[in-house]
Amino acid sequence: EDQVTQSPEALRLQEGESSSLNCSYTVSGLRGLFWYRQDPGKGPEFLFTLYSAGEEKEKERLKATLTKKESFLHITAPKPEDSATYLCAVQALEAAGNKLTFGGGTRVLVKP
Amino acid sequence: DTEVTQTPKHLVMGMTNKKSLKCEQHMGHRAMYWYKQKAKKPPELMFVYSYEKLSINESVPSRFSPECPNSSLLNLHLHALQPEDSALYLCASSPEPAPMETQYFGPGTRLLVL
Repeated sequence: EDQVTQSPEALRLQEGESSSLNCSYTVSGLRGLFWYRQDPGKGPEFLFTLYSAGEEKEKERLKATLTKKESFLHITAPKPEDSATYLCAVQALEAAGNKLTFGGGTRVLVKP
Repeated sequence: DTEVTQTPKHLVMGMTNKKSLKCEQHMGHRAMYWYKQKAKKPPELMFVYSYEKLSINESVPSRFSPECPNSSLLNLHLHALQPEDSALYLCASSPEPAPMETQYFGPGTRLLVL
């Protein structure tokens, strides 16, 4: 069974304090991995897609990387507006259609 | 424009009521999805429509009934729900039902069943 585990569950940062979120996965074969950001009471907002080990994507203060067993989301010099829950989701090679398996998320709070 | 809209934003219903959730997208996407999300949990897939046909039903109870009247519209009909069905219901769409197509989510409908 495909499994996605995100750590830590929650992260409190001071503004400007860089950190990394981890997404480790167990799938029989990885087709790709997605990162989403979700604000309270709202739908997830797409951030990145990663397809193969060694791949990196950047957007403003966020940088996502992928290895064969995990993905990291690095937040550089975060601002309070970066506070959100960050979700990663994987798609296995044998997944039906476009089915995603989500991790439990990391809730990030950035204090000014 | 990557916008998926959902109505209503909030819904309170009794266990004997019948209500419907509506989702709309005008991006020409051919796949649409319903997810259920409980507090502090990840989204759980319920249904997938591909080219207006139901392609995936994740063993969802029959009190949830999806409908796709056309390529832009997705409904979720609710009947005889239980309090444990209270959750955020999210709609998403992707350009194609193919693997690795990015899913774009709507803002959700917050449902409370009394």
